[in-house]
Amino acid sequence: SQQGEEDPQALSIQEGENATMNCSYKTSINNLQWYRQNSGRGLVHLILIRSNEREKHSGRLRVTLDTSKKSSSLLITASRAADTASYFCATFSGGYNKLIFGAGTRLAVHP
Amino acid sequence: EADIYQTPRYLVIGTGKKITLECSQTMGHDKMYWYQQDPGMELHLIHYSYGVNSTEKGDLSSESTVSRIRTEHFPLTLESARPSHTSQYLCASSLGTGGYNTEAFFGQGTRLTVV
Repeated sequence: SQQGEEDPQALSIQEGENATMNCSYKTSINNLQWYRQNSGRGLVHLILIRSNEREKHSGRLRVTLDTSKKSSSLLITASRAADTASYFCATFSGGYNKLIFGAGTRLAVHP
Repeated sequence: EADIYQTPRYLVIGTGKKITLECSQTMGHDKMYWYQQDPGMELHLIHYSYGVNSTEKGDLSSESTVSRIRTEHFPLTLESARPSHTSQYLCASSLGTGGYNTEAFFGQGTRLTVV
């Protein structure tokens, strides 16, 4: 992809289980962001982690950032069927003017 | 609720027609972006702007053009639509001051079909 790799490409779990998605990026960053996209809709911002932060929480979401490995992970705990969506990470490059997205992880949570 | 609007939501148009996709935001954001996305696929940045009178091409080559005459408005134009332009087009904006960028807000997208 333009920005790096996300894995897995697709993830299928049962309600109540945790879902972990990983993202790697190529350039230096000042922050990394995670977004969610329901089928056919615009993206919604979930959480932003700054380059000087290692971990951040928001509700059932936990994001980690390892700048030495240029990687981040998104953990969704106690997943629900309503969490079914595509999840993307994004970083700024090009003098911090270009917002570039990873290829995304398609999460399916089954009742 | 994000204050960024795209029109139209759906557009079916014949080959060779000129079209303009509208995108407006009322948040005073300096940065705006256009992405192209096929169903279930990744987002490709095709144009971006970091302020009035600034426009840059993104990482995916596109035959479209953009303008940024006003802070709130970032229209995308296709002079001659072709079936290969069939896709979803997403507009977004964000605030970037002092070298630090905030999160981006997205419009609902325009689904373009060229027949």
